[in-house]
Amino acid sequence: EDKVVQSPLSLVVHEGDTVTLNCSYEVTNFRSLLWYKQEKKAPTFLFMLTSSGIEKKSGRLSSILDKKELFSILNITATQTGDSAIYLCAVVPNYGQNFVFGPGTRLSVLP
Amino acid sequence: DTGVSQNPRHKITKRGQNVTFRCDPISEHNRLYWYRQTLGQGPEFLTYFQNEAQLEKSRLLSDRFSAERPKGSFSTLEIQRTEQGDSAMYLCASSFRQGAVTDTQYFGPGTRLTVL
Repeated sequence: EDKVVQSPLSLVVHEGDTVTLNCSYEVTNFRSLLWYKQEKKAPTFLFMLTSSGIEKKSGRLSSILDKKELFSILNITATQTGDSAIYLCAVVPNYGQNFVFGPGTRLSVLP
Repeated sequence: DTGVSQNPRHKITKRGQNVTFRCDPISEHNRLYWYRQTLGQGPEFLTYFQNEAQLEKSRLLSDRFSAERPKGSFSTLEIQRTEQGDSAMYLCASSFRQGAVTDTQYFGPGTRLTVL
């Protein structure tokens, strides 16, 4: 059965800290991995990763995929209170079209 | 606003009643997905459509659940004879599928269902 594991499940930091969120997966015929940010409502898209070793960056956020070790990390530097959210990792298997989501990491950034 | 919209945003019902939710995808998107999310969990896939065709259904989708996308635009998700275990956030997402590239899914705000 396809499985996505995220760690930590919960994290509390102070503004200005750097955080690393982890996502590991077991999936048949991996195609892509995506990161989403979920505040109070809908998940919003952050990154899509399909190739190992290529870092994607957007402002203070960056992410990289390791297809050999079956994991991805999401880094947030100089965290702000607005980064407080649940960060979801999703994997797309090659055989289907649905996303398999992990449980999410709840990040709280304190002022 | 040209994003994915869902109605209603909140629904409270009594056990045994039927409920129907609506999702309006981004207009040019040909794929539409339904997910269910419970507290502390990531979204769980329920079903998806390409245009009006329902192409995949999760085993989570019992026979009390039915989804339609009659004209390839909006979709409805109906739950018959609701149970307390159906209480969850129901998320809709849409995407544009082109070739074999993974399509980014854009989510709506969700419908929160509470079954008393």
